[in-house]
Amino acid sequence: GAVVSQHPSRVICKSGTSVKIECRSLDFQATTMFWYRQFPKQSLMLMATSNEGSKATYEQGVEKDKFLINHASLTLSTLTVTSAHPEDSSFYICSALTSGTDTQYFGPGTRLTVL
Amino acid sequence: QQQVKQSPQSLIVQKGGISIINCAYENTAFDYFPWYQQFPGKGPALLIAIRPDVSEKKEGRFTISFNKSAKQFSLHIMDSQPGDSATYFCAASQASGSRLTFGEGTQLTVNP
Repeated sequence: GAVVSQHPSRVICKSGTSVKIECRSLDFQATTMFWYRQFPKQSLMLMATSNEGSKATYEQGVEKDKFLINHASLTLSTLTVTSAHPEDSSFYICSALTSGTDTQYFGPGTRLTVL
Repeated sequence: QQQVKQSPQSLIVQKGGISIINCAYENTAFDYFPWYQQFPGKGPALLIAIRPDVSEKKEGRFTISFNKSAKQFSLHIMDSQPGDSATYFCAASQASGSRLTFGEGTQLTVNP
């Protein structure tokens, strides 16, 4: 149990385009989802926290207008990178948990490359 | 105060040996301490977790030792295997459902 999926696993796009990444909890209801980005050989950096039906809470320094997060249901959250630029190239990972619990289950990640 | 400091940055161990990774924290409000294992190009996977009310937790070859007074916790991997070669992250959080604060990560290599 406790499986989180992400789609796509890899995406290559041109500079200036927008990319949507989906995060789904497959066998549990995710009241909270988190979005991270990770650069090579570095730790995970939290970008934002989203609760189902509410606006996402962004970490300091993360542009909310650039990284749009929607958590419309208990099993789906999306991250849209708008007007992507090469510096947005990174590994994006989501995690999910159920209200009242501690364990975050992570998705397999999405490798974004912006040309 | 929100930081979790992890050491060493990298670790090389022979097959069958014991791998030890250490973490230290400052925030005494942290009450949940998980360890995650991450293989290249994959998302982190939960290995084992502990709460401050116990000093040790063991699951198979993996053991967490927790020292509340020193604000330190460590991961011990017994009988390390080449398949254990991965990056390990410690983390901490306070209150259910709250954000995790991650350590910097340890790249473990187990030589055959």
